[in-house]
Amino acid sequence: QVQLVQSGAEVKKPGSSVKVSCKASGGTFSSYAISWVRQAPGQGLEWMGGIIPIFGTANYAQKFQGRVTITADESTSTAYMELSSLRSEDTAVYYCARGVIVVVGGNLYYYYMDVWGKGTTVTVSS
Amino acid sequence: AIRMTQSPSSLSASTGDRVTITCRASQGISSYLAWYQQKPGKAPKLLIYAASTLQSGVPSRFSGSGSGTDFTLTISCLQSEDFATYYCQQYYSYPYSFGQGTKLEIK
Repeated sequence: QVQLVQSGAEVKKPGSSVKVSCKASGGTFSSYAISWVRQAPGQGLEWMGGIIPIFGTANYAQKFQGRVTITADESTSTAYMELSSLRSEDTAVYYCARGVIVVVGGNLYYYYMDVWGKGTTVTVSS
Repeated sequence: AIRMTQSPSSLSASTGDRVTITCRASQGISSYLAWYQQKPGKAPKLLIYAASTLQSGVPSRFSGSGSGTDFTLTISCLQSEDFATYYCQQYYSYPYSFGQGTKLEIK
């Protein structure tokens, strides 16, 4: 049974960057997608973006465009999310999640998230 | 971007009750809708995908229905472990988006 193992908690200064990793343990994600979702304290879930590793290109929520970079290394079954220009509002738990891909009509790809990491707490504070 | 709106935002119920949570999309999303359960301090757990398909291992008291813009999650006979927050999420178009959540509390 695949598990997603995320890197440990981070404390960052405003204006700096953070890079969170997510490694598939007990399996690979080469035929899946990976999404990143965050949850600020006491708030709901927010989709940040995702990547389908076999294609290599990522899609991002407009809110994070220009500040977030999602990558995947198929050789190590590890995905990464880097968020730059951090501010206090970025304090949150960051989750990675595996996406099960649904292919429609041969060229349309959708995915829902079936396995989640335990989350990485990122605290932004001066 | 597609906006997902859940109702109610919170709900009080007793064990054994039947409860329904509604999720509305701001535009049609066919059946590309998932439901997740989240307990405090834990990662979300997938309950239902494709609007009505039960994820493996999820109890059959959970069911989902709907297509287009209107969807429901029903829990037929609440158990103590079902008290949690529930989120719907569309995966029809980028950016994927979640509803604001429905907190299910014990009455």
